[in-house]
Amino acid sequence: DADVTQTPRNRITKTGKRIMLECSQTKGHDRMYWYRQDPGLGLRLIYYSFDVKDINKGEISDGYSVSRQAQAKFSLSLESAIPNQTALYFCATSDRDRNNYGYTFGSGTRLTVV
Amino acid sequence: AQKITQTQPGMFVQEKEAVTLDCTYDTSDPSYGLFWYKQPSSGEMIFLIYQGSYDQQNATEGRYSLNFQKARKSANLVISASQLGDSAMYFCAISGGSNYKLTFGKGTLLTVNP
Repeated sequence: DADVTQTPRNRITKTGKRIMLECSQTKGHDRMYWYRQDPGLGLRLIYYSFDVKDINKGEISDGYSVSRQAQAKFSLSLESAIPNQTALYFCATSDRDRNNYGYTFGSGTRLTVV
Repeated sequence: AQKITQTQPGMFVQEKEAVTLDCTYDTSDPSYGLFWYKQPSSGEMIFLIYQGSYDQQNATEGRYSLNFQKARKSANLVISASQLGDSAMYFCAISGGSNYKLTFGKGTLLTVNP
């Protein structure tokens, strides 16, 4: 099993629908992140969490919400999806580890809002 | 705030030649880390190399090396002996401060020609 698992891998949904993207990890990391990738814009941070009780907005949090159900689980919700939320979404975890902070990315969720 | 600038939207290189991908950064944090990730067409984010701001020597990982020039705030990635499988999008990223989140550049699309 992957260290960071995202479900679903691909999703097509209609405008106005609520959708949840799920992320679970087996790394034992405290920090979890949700990023969004659009062509030509790189990855941008939506939300991040340092533990179950510590959730913070990133640079593009409008239209999104998150839930940290447990240390290992961090879900991203789109309450009412709109077409410009069509993107590739990544979950990531991190912990201090020797010299490279130990970032681990999931495989991504391709979301299309029609 | 931290910022990464990648000025090369696309680069071409011949197989077996070396290529340098540019990255400049801006940060007010005295301690930070610089990362390079590879994203093939399949979409996953693959960690390549890390450089800490206090590391005295340039990081190397196999065919990848990071040319770190702290005074110039640059962290260029050098890929030696390019292979066809190196064709991908490459992202430079920086992490630092109290929240450890990664800030990404917009990426460089590398194409390796046979």
